[in-house]
Order: sequence, then structure tokens, then C-alpha cells
Amino acid sequence: QSVLTQAPSVSGAPGQSVTISCSGSSSNIGVNTVTWYHHLPGEAPKLLMYTNTQRPSGVPDRFSGSKSGTSASLTITGLQSEDEGDYYCAAWDDGLSGPVFGGGTKVTVL
Amino acid sequence: QMQLQESGPGLLRPSETLSLSCSVAGASLGRFHWGWLRQPPGKGLEWIGHIYTSGVTNYHVSLKTRATISLGTSKNHLSLKLKSVTSADTAVYFCARLYSGYQAEYFHPWGPGTLVVVSS
Repeated sequence: QSVLTQAPSVSGAPGQSVTISCSGSSSNIGVNTVTWYHHLPGEAPKLLMYTNTQRPSGVPDRFSGSKSGTSASLTITGLQSEDEGDYYCAAWDDGLSGPVFGGGTKVTVL
Repeated sequence: QMQLQESGPGLLRPSETLSLSCSVAGASLGRFHWGWLRQPPGKGLEWIGHIYTSGVTNYHVSLKTRATISLGTSKNHLSLKLKSVTSADTAVYFCARLYSGYQAEYFHPWGPGTLVVVSS
């Protein structure tokens, strides 16, 4: 069972918006920044968002992140077929001295 | 551009020691922090541990007694050893560069992963 909680799946039609939520606790999201990764099976996971809201170079501005208290969310606006895959949230956990992950949310474009 | 590639035995038996290597191209290993993570079948990502440029290592509490991360004897190779494996260690194993700075700790980039199956 993952330390951070994510819904198992979310779907939307092309062009629509979807939001992926991530819930943690006072030892991780509550005191540290949130990172989001996009993973397609068989490929390397890719950094999508760091420090809650920062997009690495090359990530479209259709992706946006937010954090409030012990929860965070990732929103994809203008959903495209290439956005399908698994999305993982992560945050450093002060108790573990390492990162904890959510169980992943599978995004399906209808 | 930094590129990572994991390699390992693929299949091993319970109680054996897993040895994985991560080849790093486009960067000098000693200049960065590195981590190992894994994904068991049908499950999410799990952190195994990481090594700082100082040589200091941190491991997940559940793996602390069995895991060892080091800079490999071969140039630009990162190593993971996991002793006394069981079927619960079956997973795709990833290596990644760890970025650790003010208000930011994350892994980027990652290798594509290598599948390890533990079975008798």
C-alpha cells in the first residue's frame, strides 16, 4: 500500500481537462514539495512537475500543478492522446529520509 | 544529454544476491547524486535508496539490512546489491539521477528499467 493516495484511474475526452489528486500527511506533502512523474510501461518514467508547480523544459503548459496543506493535484487541460499513461505523485518524507510515492493514476483518453 | 541504462541477471533464485548495474553516459558519476527505485508487477513505484556525492547512502527502512548502493568499480557505473532475495523482490528496477536542492528533491532522468524475476 502506497504512502501517498491517488485515485486508480481517470479518463476524459480529447480537449477536456482532468485533475489527478494526491493525498499525503504532515511528514511528506505537508512539509516538502511535490513531484509528478509520467510513466508508460516499458519506458523510463519522465519528470513532469517539480517543486509543486514547476515544469521542466519540454513539458507543455497544458500541465499544471498545485499544492495545499497535505494534498496536491495535477491538472491536464486540453487532453491529448499522448497524455495517456500512469501518473505518479511523490514527496520527500522526513521520517524516511527518502521519497514516498502514490500508487499511480492511469489516465485514459476516450 | 545524460542517459542511463540498467542491466542485471533477469532471473535469480530465492536467497541469492541480486546485482544490478546502471551505466551512465553523458555525465560524470561522481558529480551527481543517484538513486535506485523499483516497480513490482501491478504496483506503483518504490524508492530503494540513494547515494550522495559525499558517498553517504540512505535506504528504505524495509530494505536497509539487505541493500547496498555504491559507485561501481567500472567507470561511470552505479551498483545495487540486494541480498537474500525473495519473490517479493520481483520488480522492474530503475536507476535515476537524484536532484537534491532547496525545496526540490526529485529523480531525473531515469533509465528504462530492467526486469528482475525471483523464482525457484
